Order: sequence, then C-alpha cells, then structure tokens
Amino acid sequence: GEQVEQLPSSLIVQEGASVLINCSYTDSASVYFPWYKQEPGKRLQFIIDIRSNMERKQTQRLTLLFDKKTKHLSLHITATQPGDSAIYFCSGYNTNTGKLTFGDGTVLTVKP
Amino acid sequence: GGIITQTPKFLIGQEGQKLTLKCQQNFNHDTMYWYRQDSGKGLRLIYYSITENDLQKGDLSEGYDASREKKSSFSLTVTSAQKNEMAVFLCASSTGRGQNTLYFGAGTRLSVL
Repeated sequence: GEQVEQLPSSLIVQEGASVLINCSYTDSASVYFPWYKQEPGKRLQFIIDIRSNMERKQTQRLTLLFDKKTKHLSLHITATQPGDSAIYFCSGYNTNTGKLTFGDGTVLTVKP
Repeated sequence: GGIITQTPKFLIGQEGQKLTLKCQQNFNHDTMYWYRQDSGKGLRLIYYSITENDLQKGDLSEGYDASREKKSSFSLTVTSAQKNEMAVFLCASSTGRGQNTLYFGAGTRLSVL
C-alpha cells in the first residue's frame, strides 16, 4: 500500500528561523496532500493542503511545494515562533484505495 | 462550530479484555474514522465509515471491530486487549470522503496492564 515518509523526525530551532519539512510518497494514485499539526495537549488540526494539479500553495507563514515527478512535498515555515512548536504530519489521499495515509510526523521545537 | 467528543479520555484495561471506545460528532459529517497513534509514529487507519451502517477496513483492522449505528456516532471495540499495549485512539470526521479536511477528537489513551 501507499507509504508516506517524513523527514526529519525532529527539529530544534531558535525563534525567527525558517524550517523545512520533507515528505515523500510512493503511489502515483495519491492526489491530495493535507498537512496537520498537533500542539502539545491539543487536537490535530488542519493547516494547509495541496492537490496534485498544483505546484505551490502559500498561506501566511506556510509554503507548501509539490513535485509530482519526484513524488515529493516540502513544507516551509518562516519566522518561526514558540507557538509553532508541535508535531507536523503530512498525509496523502489515494484515489485507488480511498485511504488517507499519514507520515510519522516531525516534532518541531522553537526555542525563544 | 462543531465538535468531536471521544469517551472515555483514559481507558485502563486488563489483558484479554474487550474494550469499547465511543465517538460523537455534531458536524453532520458523512464520513468518520478511527486512527491509532503510537508514540513516535504517524496515524494508522483502523476503520472508517462513509455513512450510517457502513464499515470499511483500514490498514490496522485486525483485532478491532467498529460500529456506525447513527450518522453522528462511531464506536470502536478492541476485541482482546494486548498486555502492555499503550496507544492513543483518535476519532475524526469529514464531509464526503477523502479529499476533505478531517476534524479530530481529543483522543482516548489506552493502557493495558
């Protein structure tokens, strides 16, 4: 089945730095890629998504890039704040299986 | 806005015990999901349901049963709890299927003695 790999598994940065989280998938039938964030003690929440007919999407300090050829995504977060500290999950929806598969998550710690 | 409520928040069971987790949503969403989250790992799909009385197996359905008797509720049963098992079970819902935002509950944390 579909596999979603996410790297790095953890990141520690100083406030104000930019970070890059990478995600790759294996099945070309995956067409929709939402990202979720889980802050300590809080529910997972949607933050940004991209469809396979797009290359880039930006919302506030988040930029999501998608390369269909290499089956690779990257989430860029600029001007990080301590409130950005969370686990970030990428995921891919596969039209053949009808399932949404998650990566293992990236733990981001932003130090003040 | 809507909310997803999972009960109980914490569940402690004995090895071999049958345990039931419940989930309610008031979004009026069609699709509901059960995911398992283990420490350091992503979410793995156990079951999902696209409408009342529908059940679809996920990648981790062995050892679990599920039930969607009403549109608003989706329950998950661990058929035989495994000793030293520890995980968080997350319920989610979405409109339609697949290419829509999932809304998550706060989770049920399971510990098996």
